[in-house]
Amino acid sequence: DIQMTQSPASLSASLGETVTIECLASEDIYSNLAWYQQKPGKSPQLLIYDASSLQDGVPSRFSGSDSGTQYSLEINSLQSEDAATYFCQQHHDYPYTFGAGTKLELK
Amino acid sequence: EIQLQESGPGLVKPSQSLSLTCSVTGYTITSGYDWSWIRKFPGNKMEWMGYISNSGSTNYNPSLKIRISITRDTSKNQFFLQLNSVTTEDTATYYCAREGYNFDYWGQGVMVTVSS
Repeated sequence: DIQMTQSPASLSASLGETVTIECLASEDIYSNLAWYQQKPGKSPQLLIYDASSLQDGVPSRFSGSDSGTQYSLEINSLQSEDAATYFCQQHHDYPYTFGAGTKLELK
Repeated sequence: EIQLQESGPGLVKPSQSLSLTCSVTGYTITSGYDWSWIRKFPGNKMEWMGYISNSGSTNYNPSLKIRISITRDTSKNQFFLQLNSVTTEDTATYYCAREGYNFDYWGQGVMVTVSS
């Protein structure tokens, strides 16, 4: 199985700041990566697919990028509603696998 | 609007079978996409369990292959999860989702506890 190592496990940031969350794939997944946001008691919401494509309806302050097997989610101009857990998912090969998640708290 | 809704018992005894239903509205499951089950364990780890395709074929996570079955009822636009011989390790929140390489629509999830 492809392992997705996500970091950090948690972070705290202030309104208006920019944060970056990363996922490292154990092998080349050819940009076949998605990012999700999940708030407590809610189902995950797709933010980014194919590493850098923004899902319809997702604010443009969310962006994704990749470099080799390293994938990044950047959130600019943090808003209060961005407090959530974020996780990555590779869709290059079955079984699809997820990162362990990053809990983002707003100061 | 596409919606998915899980239903099923919230408590299952060890060694028994876990059975869940996903009811889909706003999209016909035979029209396209694959239809997956995903679970989230306490502590946040997520696991893709398997899918049933729009044509009825299935694909399962090898870690579950001997215990899992995903079926469907096209007349009701529903698909189902059965997980056999459950243990406390199967305690999780179970989600159904529409899969097109990524998961763009999810149900709200159902928490299942395995306990005697």
